[in-house]
Amino acid sequence: DVQLVESGGGLVQPGGSLRLSCAASGFTFRSYWMTWVRQAPGKGLEWVANIKKDGSEQNYADSVKGRFTLSRDNAKNTLYLQMDTLRAEDTAVYYCARDRTYSDGSGRYYDVFDIWGQGTLVTVSS
Amino acid sequence: AIQMTQSPSSLSASVGDRVTITCRASQGIRSDLGWYQQRPGEAPKLIIYAASSLHNEVPSRFSGSGSGTDFTLTISGLRPEDFATYYCLQDYIYPRTFGQGTKVEIK
Repeated sequence: DVQLVESGGGLVQPGGSLRLSCAASGFTFRSYWMTWVRQAPGKGLEWVANIKKDGSEQNYADSVKGRFTLSRDNAKNTLYLQMDTLRAEDTAVYYCARDRTYSDGSGRYYDVFDIWGQGTLVTVSS
Repeated sequence: AIQMTQSPSSLSASVGDRVTITCRASQGIRSDLGWYQQRPGEAPKLIIYAASSLHNEVPSRFSGSGSGTDFTLTISGLRPEDFATYYCLQDYIYPRTFGQGTKVEIK
């Protein structure tokens, strides 16, 4: 089965750090971009960051740029999100998702998040 | 960043109803838009991409339309499992941005 499993969430104090992991199975991990999306309690979805297949390029939301670092280990089929200088507003369920590109056959490409993990909760509080 | 605005924020409907949700982008995004469904306590699921293409195994009662700045998601013949929150997402440029969500509740 195609599966993503997040881990590493927990309670951390403001200003602290945490590293999330996302273990992939059932597909060729190195062939896909990967993404993190978060959801604050009772709120909507927020795209956080994504990373290219070989790890050579990352894109970040302005709200986390300079504080979060996304990396991957294709030999271990694992995605990582290093979160530093955490703030209360970073409290959320963090989902990893497979970032797949579809083509419409006419040269146009569309990015979708087609496989999602179950999420891991990060709570930033003193 | 492109702002995505959904309306309504919530709606009440009955099983069998036709429901339409709209999503407006703050600038043109061609057809680079997806729709995601999230049931309570679950991860989101992709239902439509490229504004109107149905993802694998998504029932045909779901449909999407639009391009540029205005998009719609329609559910024709609402079923109990469709009561959920729906989000649009633009994949035109970075940062990717979601709409704030539309909660479809049982009347």
